[in-house]
Amino acid sequence: DQQVKQNSPSLSVQEGRISILNCDYTNSMFDYFLWYKKYPAEGPTFLISISSIKDKNEDGRFTVFLNKSAKHLSLHIVPSQPGDSAVYFCAATPGGTSYGKLTFGQGTILTVHP
Amino acid sequence: EPEVTQTPSHQVTQMGQEVILRCVPISNHLYFYWYRQILGQKVEFLVSFYNNEISEKSEIFDDQFSVERPDGSNFTLKIRSTKLEDSAMYFCASSTERSRKAFFGQGTRLTVV
Repeated sequence: DQQVKQNSPSLSVQEGRISILNCDYTNSMFDYFLWYKKYPAEGPTFLISISSIKDKNEDGRFTVFLNKSAKHLSLHIVPSQPGDSAVYFCAATPGGTSYGKLTFGQGTILTVHP
Repeated sequence: EPEVTQTPSHQVTQMGQEVILRCVPISNHLYFYWYRQILGQKVEFLVSFYNNEISEKSEIFDDQFSVERPDGSNFTLKIRSTKLEDSAMYFCASSTERSRKAFFGQGTRLTVV
């Protein structure tokens, strides 16, 4: 099941710089997209989401961009902090009867160096 | 801040035994989910539950699995006869009626030996 793909298994960034995490999807029925952060031995923590009627959503240091024609979304973290080091998952969900069912990508390990 | 609570944090069971994983969702949430993550793999959807019935389930969620909301606060996942391949982290999640943002518990690590 490759409906949601995160092609970069890992990303390393210096503190204070921008982190850009990417995600691609194939299912045209997806209309809501989410980013989760996960630390070891913890559950995924919701970060930010975007509806398909928008192309950008900001929340503090986190911005998600959606390019529907390319079926691509990205998460920008500015400025990056060492505490941001975690696994980042993008997830997508369709509307209709599958409301709330999330399909996850494989995750990208972000390491922010001091 | 309200959170989803799962117990136990780690369960070891023998193949063929029944296990029950427990979850207390956030109190005003109405949609409940179970997901699992096999080591090194994606987080996978198992089942969603709303209004005291299953609203959707994946191919993984076969007859060996069942879910129940036995009272107003708990949500359980039962695996009737565990297999080695059921070893995984199991995450419970919940969401409000009008939101697709699911909030996850810390997970139960199930090890089948």
